Amino acid sequence: KQEVTQIPAALSVPEGENLVLNCSFTDSAIYNLQWFRQDPGKGLTSLLLIQSSQREQTSGRLNASLDKSSGRSTLYIAASQPGDSATYLCAVRPGYGGSQGNLIFGKGTKLSVKP
Amino acid sequence: DTGVSQDPRHKITKRGQNVTFRCDPISEHNRLYWYRQTLGQGPEFLTYFQNEAQLEKSRLLSDRFSAERPKGSFSTLEIQRTEQGDSAMYLCASSVGNSYNEQFFGPGTRLTVL
Repeated sequence: KQEVTQIPAALSVPEGENLVLNCSFTDSAIYNLQWFRQDPGKGLTSLLLIQSSQREQTSGRLNASLDKSSGRSTLYIAASQPGDSATYLCAVRPGYGGSQGNLIFGKGTKLSVKP
Repeated sequence: DTGVSQDPRHKITKRGQNVTFRCDPISEHNRLYWYRQTLGQGPEFLTYFQNEAQLEKSRLLSDRFSAERPKGSFSTLEIQRTEQGDSAMYLCASSVGNSYNEQFFGPGTRLTVL
């Protein structure tokens, strides 16, 4: 059974710091991995999608990496800003015999960037 | 705005009542998903449609829950005889084509069962 874990559960940093959020998954048979941002009481905003054949994706100050064989992904945020404060969720799309319809999510990392 | 929309955004109901939520996916997205999220947890998959066909249902989707997508466009999720444990955020997402494509989420419907 695929399980997704995100560490740390919460993180507080001063503005301007670079930071890394971690995601691990137990089954390497995935189609892809997606990182989301969620503001309190809101829906999810897709940040980056990494296909299983890719190693990383970049969008602005965000860079996500994927090491499928070790079951790990990281989200790197450069030069953090107070507006980056949110919960960041990692999700994998199981493949090859597992459910192919749904995403399996971690519990998220709650990020607070202090001015 | 051409994103995923959900209605209502908030619903408060008494235990035992029936509720229905609606999701309008991004135009031309043939896949539509329903998830449920409780406080402090990540979303959990409930069900998904490809066009009008319901292809997968989670064991979380008890017989009190039913979802439809009659014309392959919008979808409804109905909960009958609501229980306090049904209180959660219900999220809808849509995507194009196959399992390689990105899912886009709506703003969610917050359900509170008193």
